[in-house]
Amino acid sequence: DTAVSQTPKYLVTQMGNDKSIKCEQNLGHDTMYWYKQDSKKFLKIMFSYNNKELIINETVPNRFSPKSPDKAHLNLHINSLELGDSAVYFCASSQGLGYSGANVLTFGAGSRLTVL
Amino acid sequence: SQKIEQNSEALNIQEGKTATLTCNYTNYSPAYLQWYRQDPGRGPVFLLLIRENEKEKRKERLKVTFDTTLKQSLFHITASQPADSATYLCATILTGGGNKLTFGTGTQLKVEL
Repeated sequence: DTAVSQTPKYLVTQMGNDKSIKCEQNLGHDTMYWYKQDSKKFLKIMFSYNNKELIINETVPNRFSPKSPDKAHLNLHINSLELGDSAVYFCASSQGLGYSGANVLTFGAGSRLTVL
Repeated sequence: SQKIEQNSEALNIQEGKTATLTCNYTNYSPAYLQWYRQDPGRGPVFLLLIRENEKEKRKERLKVTFDTTLKQSLFHITASQPADSATYLCATILTGGGNKLTFGTGTQLKVEL
């Protein structure tokens, strides 16, 4: 049973299109995250949600809109895709809010987005 | 500004040797530091967490140290194997970072036969 699952794993699309990535966790965790990993492999946080409430919005363009219908799901919708959006997007989850730094993240396998 | 830095150059070592990876942080003092492993095409996987009052933490062939004076954590893999080849990331929460776990750039380790 996959703990954090993301779909789709690969996404190839044209500039200007709108696309969504879905994430689900079956760990019973309270907090979910979206991270972006660029071509240089740098992993950067985009959003975090705790029990469906937005906690972190890391100066991400408005074209990115996360949605958490319940605490087990966190989806990412991207409007008007640009070339620079090409990256691997990782969903993750953790127990609790994680303010201490002791909360361990469980990551999904990633969704590779290619914008042509 | 606060930073987490790892050696961006790949580390190549011979099988059986000890691999040592470095994580340096500047301008803050984290209470915890985490280490993750990332294989190509996969998400990072948690390995070890060390607290600021712990000098050392071990798990099987893995050892992590935390030197708050040097502002540095070292990650050791003893008796390294080709299967240990991966990218290793350190992570922590920066001062004022809320619950935002910030990752270093990662160091790619290659263990050769």
